Amino acid sequence: AQKITQTQPGMFVQEKEAVTLDCTYDTSDPSYGLFWYKQPSSGEMIFLIYQGSYDQQNATEGRYSLNFQKARKSANLVISASQLGDSAMYFCAMRRKDTGRRALTFGSGTRLQVQP
Amino acid sequence: NAGVTQTPKFQVLKTGQSMTLQCAQDMNHEYMSWYRQDPGMGLRLIHYSVGAGITDQGEVPNGYNVSRSTTEDFPLRLLSAAPSQTSVYFCASISGGGSYGYTFGSGTRLTVV
Repeated sequence: AQKITQTQPGMFVQEKEAVTLDCTYDTSDPSYGLFWYKQPSSGEMIFLIYQGSYDQQNATEGRYSLNFQKARKSANLVISASQLGDSAMYFCAMRRKDTGRRALTFGSGTRLQVQP
Repeated sequence: NAGVTQTPKFQVLKTGQSMTLQCAQDMNHEYMSWYRQDPGMGLRLIHYSVGAGITDQGEVPNGYNVSRSTTEDFPLRLLSAAPSQTSVYFCASISGGGSYGYTFGSGTRLTVV
């Protein structure tokens, strides 16, 4: 079965510094997609970044980048120049093979707190 | 505004009551899914749909029913509410060929007493 593991329940970072949130995954699916979502205290789920298993380059979206190491089955999120508004829960997710890749499986999340 | 609309935002039910959580999207997305989020956990898949008339179970389907009579709507029914169903419920959608993120609704916070 597929599994997403986020081993950091909580992280602290100083404003303007970079931070890496860890995500490892386990799948037998040769074609898969990995997502990162942000959930602020208001509760909504905000899509940040996507990496396909066959993508040759690491995904980037503004201050977000994904450090994709396929052989190690890791897809860490890097946030550069942290801002106070980055304080939130962050979830790593993967398309589920058992749903024909139509739905997602999530990790347990990492709570990031940005300190001034 | 285009997106996924969930209603209600908050609901309190008594044990044994039934209710329907509504989910509607106006993006013509084929795939829709329901998740629940419990404290300290990620989202878990309840049911999903790949198109009108086609639904299937996720990892925690017990106590829930779904139907998809139109592309736009994907309601989630609680048949006989139990305290274990106290959770935050999210509906999400994506187009079939999408490599972009699923669009999530704003969630329904359900408490069963």
